[in-house]
Amino acid sequence: AQSVAQPEDQVNVAEGNPLTVKCTYSVSGNPYLFWYVQYPNRGLQFLLKYITGDNLVKGSYGFEAEFNKSQTSFHLKKPSALVSDSALYFCAVRDMDSSYKLIFGSGTRLLVRP
Amino acid sequence: DAGITQSPRYKITETGRQVTLMCHQTWSHSYMFWYRQDLGHGLRLIYYSAAADITDKGEVPDGYVVSRSKTENFPLTLESATRSQTSVYFCASGGTGGNSPLHFGNGTRLTVT
Repeated sequence: AQSVAQPEDQVNVAEGNPLTVKCTYSVSGNPYLFWYVQYPNRGLQFLLKYITGDNLVKGSYGFEAEFNKSQTSFHLKKPSALVSDSALYFCAVRDMDSSYKLIFGSGTRLLVRP
Repeated sequence: DAGITQSPRYKITETGRQVTLMCHQTWSHSYMFWYRQDLGHGLRLIYYSAAADITDKGEVPDGYVVSRSKTENFPLTLESATRSQTSVYFCASGGTGGNSPLHFGNGTRLTVT
């Protein structure tokens, strides 16, 4: 069975500092990985995806993610955090066995303090 | 405008009543999904559909019914609402292929009293 894990419920970082939100995955075969962001009272917004190719994936709003096959990780990063980045972040893997549904991690709340 | 819309945004209903949550997408995506979001449980899949007239159960289907007579619509019905179904419900759609991201609506916040 495919799964993702987000080991941190919350990440705190000061504005201007780099941020990392962690995600590890477990899949059979090649992983199709995604990051989403959720702002209060809104749906999930797609940030970026890894399908194949470069291990560093660039996405929206200055975010990027590093795919590491040996560590089965797909950590979300940003060189310089903004207060407006404060939100709930979800890592997800696409279920390729059936349905193409997304299997989500439990979410990590990012709090960027001024 | 292209996108995925859910209605209503907020709904309060009483235990035992039937409630239908609507979802409409304009991309002609093949796949549509219903998730519920609860504190401590993240996002859990209720039902999904691969195409019109094809639906299947997800992780937590009990108490829910779906239909998909047209590609663009995927309504979710709670046949007899219970307090445990108080949640935020998200509809999503996506194309075929693993590299196609899902697109989410803004959700329906349902309270069952």
